[in-house]
Amino acid sequence: GAVVSQHPSRVICKSGTSVKIECRSLDFQATTMFWYRQFPKQSLMLMATSNEGSKATYEQGVEKDKFLINHASLTLSTLTVTSAHPEDSSFYICSARDPVLAKNIQYFGAGTRLSVL
Amino acid sequence: GEDVEQSLFLSVREGDSSVINCTYTDSSSTYLYWYKQEPGAGLQLLTYIFSNMDMKQDQRLTVLLNKKDKHLSLRIADTQTGDSAIYFCADDMRFGAGTRLTVKP
Repeated sequence: GAVVSQHPSRVICKSGTSVKIECRSLDFQATTMFWYRQFPKQSLMLMATSNEGSKATYEQGVEKDKFLINHASLTLSTLTVTSAHPEDSSFYICSARDPVLAKNIQYFGAGTRLSVL
Repeated sequence: GEDVEQSLFLSVREGDSSVINCTYTDSSSTYLYWYKQEPGAGLQLLTYIFSNMDMKQDQRLTVLLNKKDKHLSLRIADTQTGDSAIYFCADDMRFGAGTRLTVKP
């Protein structure tokens, strides 16, 4: 079945540094990928929809300059947390839809746990 | 705005059935989903149901959909300790807060 790979699985960084998270669709070309953030004991929050070849669509309240999304190819989307601060510490999960086989099914990456010191 | 809600905790004994309930508000969703999340891991799609169906069975899992009441449930038969996890229901774009299922031996 379709597989989405997310890297790294865990990152610890100092406050003020930038962190890049990669999301790859391994078995299919994903024109659209999604980035979620999960706070402890809370639901997933959709941050943005990443569109291949165009600008990402951000949800209300999500800072575009803080969370940079690039979807340069049909199999790769990246989320860069710029100038990370401790409040950015969270679990970030990406997902992708296979537009050919299963348009409405989201396949999720394993997530990235970001800890900002 | 549109929302998906579910209870936060459920505890059952091994071998019993588990029923996790969910309500949603967006009637335009084409599919409704159940995901499983084990500690420190991403989400695993368990099953999904097309919005014009009222039931779907997949081995130990049974999904019931009451479209009129916008109510979705997931039944796990013969619950095992390995089923302990957080279960999320979702419509096309929104997720519930997750139900933490604890299975006691």
